[in-house]
Amino acid sequence: GENVEQHPSTLSVQEGDSAVIKCTYSDSASNYFPWYKQELGKRPQLIIDIRSNVGEKKDQRIAVTLNKTAKHFSLHITETQPEDSAVYFCAAVWSYQKVTFGTGTKLQVIP
Amino acid sequence: EAGVVQSPRYKIIEKKQPVAFWCNPISGHNTLYWYLQNLGQGPELLIRYENEEAVDDSQLPKDRFSAERLKGVDSTLKIQPAELGDSAVYLCASSPRPDQETQYFGPGTRLLVL
Repeated sequence: GENVEQHPSTLSVQEGDSAVIKCTYSDSASNYFPWYKQELGKRPQLIIDIRSNVGEKKDQRIAVTLNKTAKHFSLHITETQPEDSAVYFCAAVWSYQKVTFGTGTKLQVIP
Repeated sequence: EAGVVQSPRYKIIEKKQPVAFWCNPISGHNTLYWYLQNLGQGPELLIRYENEEAVDDSQLPKDRFSAERLKGVDSTLKIQPAELGDSAVYLCASSPRPDQETQYFGPGTRLLVL
């Protein structure tokens, strides 16, 4: 099966700084990598995703990069705001919609 | 468009009691997932349905957990009997079709077993 490791587990940044969360995966057949944001007590919500045939994708302040050779992908948040504070989960989809989630990163943006 | 609906939102039961969770996916979504999420962890898949068929239940502890999606729309997840270690959030998610990986999550049911 797939194994997804996510680092760091907690991250504190000053408002306006950038935040980077990294994930590695083990199954080279994984072909879809979504990122979810989960605020306290709320449902995970998709914020950005990337497919294996793309190296980078950007949506306003959020970007995701994928290195297939190294089997890692990263979430980049620029100009962080207090409302970015949440737990972020990466995931890898492999073998026909089998999905494995990372363990999560608790991001705290300090005003 | 209404999102994934789950009920109840919270449930407190004593160990050895049965409990059931209900999920109504987004209209037209054929694929339905049940996940377990422990505190500080990512969701872990319990079972995945394509319409009414359970296509992946390899992670479902079948000695005490069961699920059904009789008409291929809403679904019920049951635990009988519940154990202390079952305390967690149970998330339901849906996606439009098998080749669409994006999943839409419900708000979850937070279970506390005493």
